[in-house]
Amino acid sequence: EVQLVQSGAEVKKPGESLKISCKGSGYSFTSYWIGWVRQMPGKGLEWMGIIYPGDSDTTYSPSFQGQVTISADKSISTAYLQWSSLKASDSAMYYCVRLFSISSCPDYWGQGTLVTLSS
Amino acid sequence: DIQMTQSPSSLSASVGDRVTITCRASQGIRNDLGWYQQKPGKAPKRLIYAASSLQDGVPSRFSGSGSGTEFTLTISSLQPEDFATYYCLQHKSFPWTFGQGTKVEIK
Repeated sequence: EVQLVQSGAEVKKPGESLKISCKGSGYSFTSYWIGWVRQMPGKGLEWMGIIYPGDSDTTYSPSFQGQVTISADKSISTAYLQWSSLKASDSAMYYCVRLFSISSCPDYWGQGTLVTLSS
Repeated sequence: DIQMTQSPSSLSASVGDRVTITCRASQGIRNDLGWYQQKPGKAPKRLIYAASSLQDGVPSRFSGSGSGTEFTLTISSLQPEDFATYYCLQHKSFPWTFGQGTKVEIK
């Protein structure tokens, strides 16, 4: 069974760093892309970027370029989304998704990681 | 960026109704479009890929059509479990973009 299991909810302060994770199982992790999607409270879905864990090839949406870093550790079948300095506007639910190819429609989604910023 | 204009933003319907949701792309995207259903507090779930292919396990009352710039998701007979928010996603060109969502509510 294909699964994407994300790390748990986080409560952070503005200016802090954060790295959330997405562990894939039930398939060949290095043969699929992983994408990240943001959903701000009560809002729609926004595409952030994708990574190919096989060689760490990464593409960012311009809106998120320089704001976050996407990485992967293929040895443990895990992708990451990280911030070096969180802002209040980063409060959101973050989902990882699986894609068969860079041009395919995401099929499986993680359960989401809720990031809450509180001063 | 390719803009995806989804309509309506919300609708009220009764069980058994036929429901149609539309996504219009600002430029041609072939059939590189998927439809997703999201229930409150849950991750989205893929219903349709390649504009008209039904995801395994999704009821046949869901169907998708269109190509180029105009796409439609149809629910032929709305069921209680279908009340949710629906999104389209274009994956033709980066950055990929979602429609704004359509919330389907009970009349």
